[in-house]
Amino acid sequence: AQKVTQAQTEISVVEKEDVTLDCVYETRDTTYYLFWYKQPPSGELVFLIRRNSFDEQNEISGRYSWNFQKSTSSFNFTITASQVVDSAVYFCALSGPNAGKSTFGDGTTLTVKP
Amino acid sequence: DSGVTQTPKHLITATGQRVTLRCSPRSGDLSVYWYQQSLDQGLQFLIQYYNGEERAKGNILERFSAQQFPDLHSELNLSSLELGDSALYFCASSVGAGPGHGAFFGQGTRLTVV
Repeated sequence: AQKVTQAQTEISVVEKEDVTLDCVYETRDTTYYLFWYKQPPSGELVFLIRRNSFDEQNEISGRYSWNFQKSTSSFNFTITASQVVDSAVYFCALSGPNAGKSTFGDGTTLTVKP
Repeated sequence: DSGVTQTPKHLITATGQRVTLRCSPRSGDLSVYWYQQSLDQGLQFLIQYYNGEERAKGNILERFSAQQFPDLHSELNLSSLELGDSALYFCASSVGAGPGHGAFFGQGTRLTVV
């Protein structure tokens, strides 16, 4: 069975602070995929990143960066110099090697205050 | 705009009724996924179709059914509705059948059962 744990239910920061959202996963698959999605107050789910289990390179995209560590089964997401527009619920998700269904974590609500 | 279109955006109906939610995937995407997001269950995978065929099934109730048509749009049918079916229903699409591609989500249909 697959499981995704986002232990941080809510995080509140002041604008320009850096913030890291934690994601820990469990799977028996050797091939798997990890995702991060953003759900702003408007409700839609926005795809941010996909990482497969064979690619442990960290990734940076603008103010966003992701740290994938198989040794600790973690796929953490860092926002540098946070902005008010980053306020949203962030979901980490896990998929196995075959069908595209994803198991989502419960989400972390990030509030960035001006 | 993800390119995935869901209609209607909002739906209010009474218990015992039947509704149909519609999803048009991004151009070129062959896979369609349905997810349910509720406060108590979080984001739950319901079902996936790939090129008209059922590909994966999740926690979908027997009262719910889905199909994908030759033009690749999909419909999710919810019948004998109960108060607990009130939720945000998302459709997502991706190019392939597997999880190797990030899924792009529509804006969701908010179903309220009264």
